[in-house]
Amino acid sequence: EPEVTQTPSHQVTQMGQEVILRCVPISNHLYFYWYRQILGQKVEFLVSFYNNEISEKSEIFDDQFSVERPDGSNFTLKIRSTKLEDSAMYFCASSAFSGQSIVSNQPQHFGDGTRLSIL
Amino acid sequence: ELKVEQNPLFLSMQEGKNYTIYCNYSTTSDRLYWYRQDPGKSLESLFVLLSNGAVKQEGRLMASLDTKARLSTLHITAAVHDLSATYFCAVDMGHDKIIFGKGTRLHILP
Repeated sequence: EPEVTQTPSHQVTQMGQEVILRCVPISNHLYFYWYRQILGQKVEFLVSFYNNEISEKSEIFDDQFSVERPDGSNFTLKIRSTKLEDSAMYFCASSAFSGQSIVSNQPQHFGDGTRLSIL
Repeated sequence: ELKVEQNPLFLSMQEGKNYTIYCNYSTTSDRLYWYRQDPGKSLESLFVLLSNGAVKQEGRLMASLDTKARLSTLHITAAVHDLSATYFCAVDMGHDKIIFGKGTRLHILP
């Protein structure tokens, strides 16, 4: 079964450094998402992306964050100047249809996540 | 801002028992998801509930949605140890933005 893949599985970075998290969504999916989960807490929406544009973003997704689909397969999340509180598990997800599509009963498919540790 | 509240947040139960996890949400939505997460793992989709009165079942798990009451339930029948995990409900608030509940950590004792 096709799956969302994320790299690296674990990233350790010094505070203030830039980090790029990479995701390869399922190949025929059109909608892409990033979430984060601080250890032991709930999953928080960061951003959704469709047709090379951000569709929606949360309050967490401030100017330090950016997303890009640099080619036909990768979807990246960049954090420009990391803070200690950015330490979390970051999940990428993709879906074939928008959540607004009345024909879709498909969920978002999640990758295994990247554990980001900021020192 | 949409609020999604799950209860209980932690549940320890014996094998063979039945129990229900509740998910309340604060604004109108016609789409709700249930996910399972094992420790240190990703989120596995369990159910997508699309309309009022929707009921779906898979094995020992059954999920329902009442959009008028803004309530979804996940019912566990005759629990087995393998169902130990954290269960999240997530509500679609439109524009491809999904808000998760805090999760219910389910521990099933053999």
